[in-house]
Amino acid sequence: TAGITQAPTSQILAAGRSMTLRCTQDMRHNAMYWYRQDLGLGLRLIHYSNTAGTTGKGEVPDGYSVSRANTDDFPLTLASAVPSQTSVYFCASSSAENTEAFFGQGTRLTVV
Amino acid sequence: GQNIDQPTEMTATEGAIVQINCTYQTSGFNGLFWYQQHAGEAPTFLSYNVLDGLEEKGRFSSFLSRSKGYSYLLLKELQMKDSASYLCAALSGTYKYIFGTGTRLKVLA
Repeated sequence: TAGITQAPTSQILAAGRSMTLRCTQDMRHNAMYWYRQDLGLGLRLIHYSNTAGTTGKGEVPDGYSVSRANTDDFPLTLASAVPSQTSVYFCASSSAENTEAFFGQGTRLTVV
Repeated sequence: GQNIDQPTEMTATEGAIVQINCTYQTSGFNGLFWYQQHAGEAPTFLSYNVLDGLEEKGRFSSFLSRSKGYSYLLLKELQMKDSASYLCAALSGTYKYIFGTGTRLKVLA
């Protein structure tokens, strides 16, 4: 079982360019999440989606957008990348409230 | 506000017991999770507490006191492979997992 798949694994992006980080899950989980992980700051929630067709803002949503057209996919878009968006990005999903979240392997993004 | 505190780093010896503490302040608290994360890898689920008390899973146990906003993760019979970061996360409301910065545990031979 694949679980959660993120693509790409790593990317170097020029400042000002746009990019979409892809996330796909095959567990039919209702909820999906995007986190960024930075040294000393831990995992911070960017956006989340409770179910297909709905999204919500997390702690650090500025500069990012998401969509949830179907249950399986939850792409994260950076419209105009800035160096402060250099981070490791994790996508996660959970089946319902009060259950654990499963994480993808992460995308290491460097904005130069 | 929402805040989760845990120690930045701990060191312990192989075979020993270590307790990693976590204090939290969150609105709409709905449970406390512990995750393990090895360097360069994704976090993996270890335990979940929603009621006060101790949950035991093999060498790992987790405790919660809702009235004190306090949890700990207890690791027994430490092994070298337990060297990792341990993340405390509170579920705030329905779907928002708020993570602490993590405790980096080093297990020494």
